[in-house]
Amino acid sequence: AQKITQTQPGMFVQEKEAVTLDCTYDTSDPSYGLFWYKQPSSGEMIFLIYQGSYDQQNATEGRYSLNFQKARKSANLVISASQLGDSAMYFCAMRKAAGNKLTFGGGTRVLVKP
Amino acid sequence: KAGVTQTPRYLIKTRGQQVTLSCSPISGHRSVSWYQQTPGQGLQFLFEYFSETQRNKGNFPGRFSGRQFSNSRSEMNVSTLELGDSALYLCASSKREESYNEQFFGPGTRLTVL
Repeated sequence: AQKITQTQPGMFVQEKEAVTLDCTYDTSDPSYGLFWYKQPSSGEMIFLIYQGSYDQQNATEGRYSLNFQKARKSANLVISASQLGDSAMYFCAMRKAAGNKLTFGGGTRVLVKP
Repeated sequence: KAGVTQTPRYLIKTRGQQVTLSCSPISGHRSVSWYQQTPGQGLQFLFEYFSETQRNKGNFPGRFSGRQFSNSRSEMNVSTLELGDSALYLCASSKREESYNEQFFGPGTRLTVL
């Protein structure tokens, strides 16, 4: 069975600083995908970044980058130059090769301080 | 391009009633997945539909059911509502049967059971 662990329930970050959100996963499948989503207080899940298990390079999308360490089974999200609008819940999720079912971690709440 | 839409956005029901939630995927997307989000259990997968066929089902009682129409719109139904069914219900759409990096969520339907 797949499992996603986010060990940081909440964290504060100063505006304009970088922040790293931890995510570790457990799966026996050789092929899988890893996602990060942002959920503001409105509830909508906003897709941030994706990393495939066979991707050789770490994914980047604007201010978001994913630090993928396959051997350690970790997929940490790095947000550079934090903005007040980054305050939200952040979820790490994994999808097996077959189908579109996502398994989510418990989330990390980020609060950006001015 | 319109995103995933969910109706209604908010719903209040009483125990024992039934409810139907609707999800319209992004145009051209044929896969729809449903998730339940609660403070206690987090985000949990309910079921997934592709081309009107249920492809995957989570660990929920039979009171939770769903279907998908030929236009890819999907509905989920919860019968005999319980207090514990109060949650944010999210749907996600993907273009293909195995959509790798595509999983776009709607704004959710917040259900309150009194």
